[in-house]
Parts: sequence; structure tokens; C-alpha cells
Amino acid sequence: KQEVTQIPAALSVPEGENLVLNCSFTDSAIYNLQWFRQDPGKGLTSLLLIQSSQREQTSGRLNASLDKSSGRSTLYIAASQPGDSATYLCAVGLGGSYIPTFGRGTSLIVHP
Amino acid sequence: GAGVSQSPSNKVTEKGKDVELRCDPISGHTALYWYRQSLGQGLEFLIYFQGNSAPDKSGLPSDRFSAERTGGSVSTLTIQRTQQEDSAVYLCASSPWVWRGQTGANVLTFGAGSRLTVL
Repeated sequence: KQEVTQIPAALSVPEGENLVLNCSFTDSAIYNLQWFRQDPGKGLTSLLLIQSSQREQTSGRLNASLDKSSGRSTLYIAASQPGDSATYLCAVGLGGSYIPTFGRGTSLIVHP
Repeated sequence: GAGVSQSPSNKVTEKGKDVELRCDPISGHTALYWYRQSLGQGLEFLIYFQGNSAPDKSGLPSDRFSAERTGGSVSTLTIQRTQQEDSAVYLCASSPWVWRGQTGANVLTFGAGSRLTVL
């Protein structure tokens, strides 16, 4: 069974810092991985999707990388802002399964 | 529609009553997923649909839970004889194909969720 772990569970940083959020998975036979953010009381908003054949994806200040062999993905947030405060979740699609498996998320607070 | 719509956004019910939660996916999306998120917990998979069929119902917590999808579009999640432990946010997501994204950007798009409170 695919297990997805996100570290750290919570993070509080001052504005302007560069951040790395981690997502680890136990089975390297994935076909894609998607990063989401969730604001309190809201649904999930897609940030980046990485196909298994890709190494990274970038969108603005966000960069997500994928290393299947080591079972890891990282979400890099450059020059963090208070508006980045949210919970960040990764979802992993495992070959043979149609069901994305989610991590528990990293709760991020960026204070001014 | 432009996004995934869920209704009601908020539902408060008494223990023992039945509730229906509705999900209207993005037009043309084949795959539809239901997840549950309890307070402070991760996302718990409930069921997914490929078209109108549900190949995997293994995530449904009990036989009080059922779901259907008609016309390859709207889905309804029904909870009978609700219990307090059913209180959670129920999230619906859709994607163009079931999640095996060999081609294209098979992005999973979520609705805002239905918050269920059972008193």
C-alpha cells in the first residue's frame, strides 16, 4: 500500500524566507504527483502537477521537483509572503491504481 | 461548468437523519472522486467513478454510505442514519480521465466541499 508522508507537519517562518516542503512516498512506481494548497475552511487548489517522466515543474515562485528513485518530491517556495499561509498537500498516483493517495499536509504560517 | 460545484456548502443535521451531498463536476470530466476530511485529519478516500460506474467502493466507511452518478455528470453521496462521527468536510474532485495520467495534464480539481455537522 502506498504511503505518503509530509515533513514538516507545521512550519512558521518570517516573510521573505525561501522554503522547502517535503513529500515522501513508499512505492516509486508512480505515474504523477500533484501539489495542492488548502486555505482554512476551503477546498483544495491545485498548484503543480508533475508527470512521472518529468523532473520538475515551475509556476511563479513555486518549484516542485520529483525524484522517483528516492521516493521524494519537494515543493520550493521562494521569497515567502503572508498570503502563502495555508496547508500544503501532495497527492501521489500509483501505477495500477486510479486513486490518488494524499499526505497529511504541511501547515505553513508566514508572518510579517 | 467552470469548476467543481458542491452543495450544500454547510449542513447541520440531527443524529439519525439522512443527508444527501451533491457534486457537479467540470463538464466532460470522466473521473469523479469523493474524499472525507475530518477535523485535523488527512483526506480519506471514499469512492470514485469512471463515467457512471464505481469500480472501487472500498473506502466507504459503512453500508450507511452510498453514492451514485448519473449521465456521467452529477454525483450524489448519501449518508443514512447519520452519526456524530460522520461530521466532516466532504470533498469532491474531478479529472478528465481516471488518474493514470500517461498523457496530458490530468489535473485533479476539487470543489469547495460540504461541511456536515451531526448533532
